[in-house]
Amino acid sequence: GAVVSQHPSWVICKSGTSVKIECRSLDFQATTMFWYRQFPKQSLMLMATSNEGSKATYEQGVEKDKFLINHASLTLSTLTVTSAHPEDSSFYICSASRGPLSNYGYTFGSGTRLTVV
Amino acid sequence: DAKTTQPTSMDCAEGRAANLPCNHSTISGNEYVYWYRQIHSQGPQYIIHGLKNNETNEMASLIITEDRKSSTLILPHATLRDTAVYYCIVRGRSSNTGKLIFGQGTTLQVKP
Repeated sequence: GAVVSQHPSWVICKSGTSVKIECRSLDFQATTMFWYRQFPKQSLMLMATSNEGSKATYEQGVEKDKFLINHASLTLSTLTVTSAHPEDSSFYICSASRGPLSNYGYTFGSGTRLTVV
Repeated sequence: DAKTTQPTSMDCAEGRAANLPCNHSTISGNEYVYWYRQIHSQGPQYIIHGLKNNETNEMASLIITEDRKSSTLILPHATLRDTAVYYCIVRGRSSNTGKLIFGQGTTLQVKP
């Protein structure tokens, strides 16, 4: 149980276009999901907290107008990278928890590798 | 949430136990210790977590010192597939933010 599916697993897009990444909890409902970004040879950096039915909470330094997050249902959160540029090329990962963190660890998606050319 | 310190890298021979240390000297009474690992180009995988008692599951054992200022993750019989970056994270059980903040972790290389 506790599977998080992320799609697509990789995407190449042209500079200036927008890319949407989906994160789905397959066998549980997740009121909260998290989006991370990871550059090569670096650790995961939390970008934002996605809350079902409300606005996402962004970490300091993350542009909310560039990284649009929508959490329209209890099983789906989407991250849209708008007007992508080569510096947005990165590994994007989502995570979700099926319940209180004390009882359940977070489950992570398999990640999406974005390359902007 | 308390800060953690881990060695940058470690090697382990295949079949031997891998012992990964983590220092969390500023941990408070209600904070748990979580371990995740990330195999190259994949999302992190939950391994184990604990508060003060030692914990064991099918993947690993977690040994927490009596003063809770440090812990050790033990992979009893490391295989080549255990090569990954291992993250030790300290987080409060009642934290309202729900965030998991990753440090730099330990790169474990299991060698044949």
